[in-house]
Amino acid sequence: NAGVTQTPKFRILKIGQSMTLQCAQDMNHNYMYWYRQDPGMGLKLIYYSVGAGITDKGEVPNGYNVSRSTTEDFPLRLELAAPSQTSVYFCASSSAGQMNTEAFFGQGTRLTVV
Amino acid sequence: KNEVEQSPQNLTAQEGEFITINCSYSVGISALHWLQQHPGGGIVSLFMLSSGKKKHGRLIATINIQEKHSSLHITASHPRDSAVYICAVETSGSRLTFGEGTQLTVNP
Repeated sequence: NAGVTQTPKFRILKIGQSMTLQCAQDMNHNYMYWYRQDPGMGLKLIYYSVGAGITDKGEVPNGYNVSRSTTEDFPLRLELAAPSQTSVYFCASSSAGQMNTEAFFGQGTRLTVV
Repeated sequence: KNEVEQSPQNLTAQEGEFITINCSYSVGISALHWLQQHPGGGIVSLFMLSSGKKKHGRLIATINIQEKHSSLHITASHPRDSAVYICAVETSGSRLTFGEGTQLTVNP
């Protein structure tokens, strides 16, 4: 099993550009999450999904969109990139929310908006 | 005030030393997670606990629910233990709230 795979690992965007961060897991996990990690701060939840076709906002959803058309994939879309979205993004998955189960994380995507 | 506070923020130790990282939280939780973030950025789960103590190799995690406090201990530390250690608490709605992390450096 590959676990949780994120692409790309690095990306530089210009202000106003759009991009999609890809996340795929091969563990048949229902729950998937997108977090951002800013320097000196804890990870913040952007969006999460409890299953295919179901998504919900986390703490910091503004400027992002997600979709969950399959169990395996949970892409994160930035429509109009802003410097405030410069961060490291992590995708994670778990088998039953994160209630008493281990969470698996991707390797992260380092995004810089200039 | 953050809901999850870790201390210390930075910790430097010599190889072989016993290390303790602390985590305090201010909300009701169903479980607490300890995570390790490697220098390359990847995050792995070390422990998930809701009471008592868990041990895995040289790592030990304890939690005191009444005092809202958890500790992560590393025995016989090694330079390969150098990483950021993150405490996260699980609240209702299957959400994790993360501490800011503790940067550990173990020198040979």
